[in-house]
Amino acid sequence: EAQVTQNPRYLITVTGKKLTVTCSQNMNHEYMSWYRQDPGLGLRQIYYSMNVEVTDKGDVPEGYKVSRKEKRNFPLILESPSPNQTSLYFCASSLGARGNEQFFGPGTRLTVL
Amino acid sequence: GENVEQHPSTLSVQEGDSAVIKCTYSDSASNYFPWYKQELGKRPQLIIDIRSNVGEKKDQRIAVTLNKTAKHFSLHITETQPEDSAVYFCAARGYGGATNKLIFGTGTLLAVQP
Repeated sequence: EAQVTQNPRYLITVTGKKLTVTCSQNMNHEYMSWYRQDPGLGLRQIYYSMNVEVTDKGDVPEGYKVSRKEKRNFPLILESPSPNQTSLYFCASSLGARGNEQFFGPGTRLTVL
Repeated sequence: GENVEQHPSTLSVQEGDSAVIKCTYSDSASNYFPWYKQELGKRPQLIIDIRSNVGEKKDQRIAVTLNKTAKHFSLHITETQPEDSAVYFCAARGYGGATNKLIFGTGTLLAVQP
C-alpha cells in the first residue's frame, strides 16, 4: 500500500531533550516536506527536500534540522526542543515539486513541557 | 514571499446548501492551487487542484475557480452533506527557485447542519 508513515504518533518530552521524528514513504517520491499545524495558523512549512541530499528551509525552520540521506526517509530533528514547538507535525511527499499532489503522513502530536 | 489569505475561518450551512470558501494570494508567479480537506483527527487530503492556465475545474459536487488578474481562487461545494464537514485548506505554489514552497491558508472550518 502506497503510504507515508511517521513515528512516533504521539510524544511528550521535556525542554532540551533532543528528539527525532521519522518520516518514510514507499512511493519513490522525490519531494518531501515537513509542516507544523497550529490552531488559527494553518499548515506552515518547516523544511523541504527536492531530492536526496537536497534540503531547503521553509517558512518556520528555526529550531529544526532535517536530513535526506535516502530517498524514502526524511527525519525531522529537534536538537533542543522548547515549549513553543508543541504542535501537530505532518510529513508529506510528492512525485515532484511542480504541482503534484502531496500525500500526508498521519501526523505526530508533540508536547514539550 | 507568497502569502495566502483564506476566508471565512468558519462556515456553517444547512445540508443541501452551497458553500464557498475564498483565498487570495500575493505572488503573481504562483501557478498551482490545491485544496485540501482535513477531517477531525485525520491527515489533510487533496480534493481538487487547479493550475494557472485554467479558469475553472469541476469534480462532481466540488469546483474551483481561479482569477489570475485578481489573484484569488475559490472552492465551491454544492448540495452539501454532513460528511463534507471538515477543515478546508487552500494553498498556492510558485514555480522554480525559492518559490518551490507550498504556502497554505489558515483553514476554514465547514459545518454542515443536518
